[in-house]
Amino acid sequence: DADVTQTPRNRITKTGKRIMLECSQTKGHDRMYWYRQDPGLGLRLIYYSFDVKDINKGEISDGYSVSRQAQAKFSLSLESAIPNQTALYFCATSDPGVKPFSTDTQYFGPGTRLTVL
Amino acid sequence: QQPVQSPQAVILREGEDAVINCSSSKALYSVHWYRQKHGEAPVFLMILLKGGEQKGHEKISASFNEKKQQSSLYLTASQLSYSGTYFCGTSPEYGQNFVFGPGTRLSVLP
Repeated sequence: DADVTQTPRNRITKTGKRIMLECSQTKGHDRMYWYRQDPGLGLRLIYYSFDVKDINKGEISDGYSVSRQAQAKFSLSLESAIPNQTALYFCATSDPGVKPFSTDTQYFGPGTRLTVL
Repeated sequence: QQPVQSPQAVILREGEDAVINCSSSKALYSVHWYRQKHGEAPVFLMILLKGGEQKGHEKISASFNEKKQQSSLYLTASQLSYSGTYFCGTSPEYGQNFVFGPGTRLSVLP
């Protein structure tokens, strides 16, 4: 079974609809992330959470919200979807390790392809 | 601040070598390298911590020059399976979130 799962894998919705993307992990990591990927722009961070009570905005958080329901679950919501939110969305987890032997390797889920019409 | 990657894209024949560069305007604690194949999730290749170390993964290796705030990824004797987009991710301090570069698209042709 995959360590990081995302649901749904594909979603087509209409402008103005509320959408929730879900992420679950079995790696036992405290850190979880939501990224958005658009062609030519790489991976841009939307929100990240270093533990259940710690949630932070990334570089492109406008129009998005998140919920960290448990260590293993991190959900991304689009309150009112718009066409320019059409993108591939990835969830990731990491463990910072022990200084100075930092790892913080990010393990990605398979992605959710979202289309907003 | 997003690191800069160069080149943006490169096309190789099987067996040829390539170098992908990643540079930052900030002092760096760590540099990560990931590869993403089309339609798939990024996959971790290696991490380099400040200290100028060099690491290898099969025929892929990397160096990190902390004074110049840059890292290079070396792909030798390229294989078809090396095709994909390579991202670097940089972090200024231990435990701080890191930022991905825009990616370098590598295409290896038969």
